[in-house]
Amino acid sequence: EAQVTQNPRYLITVTGKKLTVTCSQNMNHEYMSWYRQDPGLGLRQIYYSMNVEVTDKGDVPEGYKVSRKEKRNFPLILESPSPNQTSLYFCASSPSGSSPLHFGNGTRLTVT
Amino acid sequence: AQSVTQLDSQVPVFEEAPVELRCNYSSSVSVYLFWYVQYPNQGLQLLLKYLSGSTLVKGINGFEAEFNKSQTSFHLRKPSVHISDTAEYFCAVSDSANFGNEKLTFGTGTRLTIIP
Repeated sequence: EAQVTQNPRYLITVTGKKLTVTCSQNMNHEYMSWYRQDPGLGLRQIYYSMNVEVTDKGDVPEGYKVSRKEKRNFPLILESPSPNQTSLYFCASSPSGSSPLHFGNGTRLTVT
Repeated sequence: AQSVTQLDSQVPVFEEAPVELRCNYSSSVSVYLFWYVQYPNQGLQLLLKYLSGSTLVKGINGFEAEFNKSQTSFHLRKPSVHISDTAEYFCAVSDSANFGNEKLTFGTGTRLTIIP
């Protein structure tokens, strides 16, 4: 089944403890992206990747890192999480930068 | 810079009644427009899109949207809703001249609740 898989679905952590949210797609998509969803703010893009080894900042990149060492994986790294990073995170992919997005089921992160 | 406004954060509708979810955009250039739907505990999925051509666009699950350039709107409609339509709906816009998902701007979403 074609899908975008995020792990974990739920994560509770403490301030400053490094964490990684994984994202993997099995559709051989070139483009991948991370969003955060907050009430009243909709979806805001954190980082995106047009292809392997090519990443760029979205609208809200502060406090996040990404890497794209292989086409299928695009992990989101929080080196030192803070409470304002408590949010619902979505990974998405598409065949190209101009095709509709396929979304994962989300990761709900709580930082205390 | 482009922006999207979804004026209604929540819309309650009785089952089998019609519904319209409003979306207005702001852009200085031609645009592509999208509606995505998010069912509970799931990611977003594409409902429909307007790229060019006919201003009336039909999507999945009986939804349709009409692009109105003069009013800069792209309202979503369904003539008769079902319980299964309960979800959050997001309008999104992108500059057509430089279209790329990295330039996709989402609205704040409208939560549609169907009342039995």
